Amino acid sequence: KNEVEQSPQNLTAQEGEFITINCSYSVGISALHWLQQHPGGGIVSLFMLSSGKKKHGRLIATINIQEKHSSLHITASHPRDSAVYICAVRHGGSQGNLIFGKGTKLSVKP
Amino acid sequence: DAGITQSPRHKVTETGTPVTLRCHQTENHRYMYWYRQDPGHGLRLIHYSYGVKDTDKGEVSDGYSVSRSKTEDFLLTLESATSSQTSVYFCAIRTPGTGAYNEQFFGPGTRLTVL
Repeated sequence: KNEVEQSPQNLTAQEGEFITINCSYSVGISALHWLQQHPGGGIVSLFMLSSGKKKHGRLIATINIQEKHSSLHITASHPRDSAVYICAVRHGGSQGNLIFGKGTKLSVKP
Repeated sequence: DAGITQSPRHKVTETGTPVTLRCHQTENHRYMYWYRQDPGHGLRLIHYSYGVKDTDKGEVSDGYSVSRSKTEDFLLTLESATSSQTSVYFCAIRTPGTGAYNEQFFGPGTRLTVL
């Protein structure tokens, strides 16, 4: 079983829809990261959080440490949000290396 | 943008040849990482470094070696490339601090094809 599980693997939405991507993990962590990767592109950090909730523009990330679960929400989705969204957790041990989920591929149709 | 560059950005090579990928940072950060990204897998750690001449293995280190003789450069070497090493390779750096205060920044990636 993977230590970081994301769902769904693929997601297609219509422009304007509210989107939720989920991440569950099974290890002790010190922080959780949400990353974005556009097709053929580099990897960009969206959020790093260890508790509660963070918001940047139309993106909101939440984490529940007790339930070992995080969600990434996109409000009023737009075709430019089409990308792969990756959840990664910073392990509590092992030099604090990141453990990555397999990613969620989001496609937003106009 | 964090100052991370990778070279080359694309490379095609033949099975059995040695290949070296370079990661260069201008941030003077202590931690540097090499990952590979393959369809159906998340990013997987190959090797990492926590200082000059200080390196350690990740989960997929077989067939790879690394060197870090200067803070700014982290080299990944495939001694004898195999087709299974066809992948996109990402370098990353980590900001100082502990736990929740670390950020990780990624380079642009190197697409390697081994024929």
